[in-house]
Amino acid sequence: DADVTQTPRNRITKTGKRIMLECSQTKGHDRMYWYRQDPGLGLRLIYYSFDVKDINKGEISDGYSVSRQAQAKFSLSLESAIPNQTALYFCATSDVGTGEQYFGPGTRLTVT
Amino acid sequence: RKEVEQDPGPFNVPEGATVAFNCTYSNSASQSFFWYRQDCRKEPKLLMSVYSSGNEDGRFTAQLNRASQYISLLIRDSKLSDSATYLCVVNRGSTLGRLYFGRGTQLTVWP
Repeated sequence: DADVTQTPRNRITKTGKRIMLECSQTKGHDRMYWYRQDPGLGLRLIYYSFDVKDINKGEISDGYSVSRQAQAKFSLSLESAIPNQTALYFCATSDVGTGEQYFGPGTRLTVT
Repeated sequence: RKEVEQDPGPFNVPEGATVAFNCTYSNSASQSFFWYRQDCRKEPKLLMSVYSSGNEDGRFTAQLNRASQYISLLIRDSKLSDSATYLCVVNRGSTLGRLYFGRGTQLTVWP
């Protein structure tokens, strides 16, 4: 079984809709991250959490919110989706000792 | 200035070729360095960490030059399966755990 899972894997939604992307991990890591990836722009950090009580904004947090429900779960919400939020979204966890990050398989989101 | 800069390529090489990718980082306080590999539309996966003394893993060799703030990845005897995008990644010391990603260098190995 995958260590980091994301649901849904693909989603098409309309402008103005609220949508939640979910991430779960079985690696036992405290640190979790949400990224988006757009062609030619690389990975950009949206939010990150170093433990259940810690939430931090990344480079591009506007239009997004997150919830860390438990050590193993970190969800990303788009309160009112807009077309330029169409992207590939990745969740990741990291090992405190090595700093290495482990990614989920991604969610492909299309906002029409 | 971007935290991490890479030549985006693309690099197109024949099987068996040796290819090198370079990367520079802007923050001298950076402490950890990595190369990730990303296949088309898939998640990035750790290829190797980069240590100060340089390190090798089979056909892959990574080097770090702290004075020049420069990281390299050398792939010898390229295989078709090496075709992917290679991401240079840096962990800035002041925010340990947060990684900064380069935009990636695209490699295509042809038969």
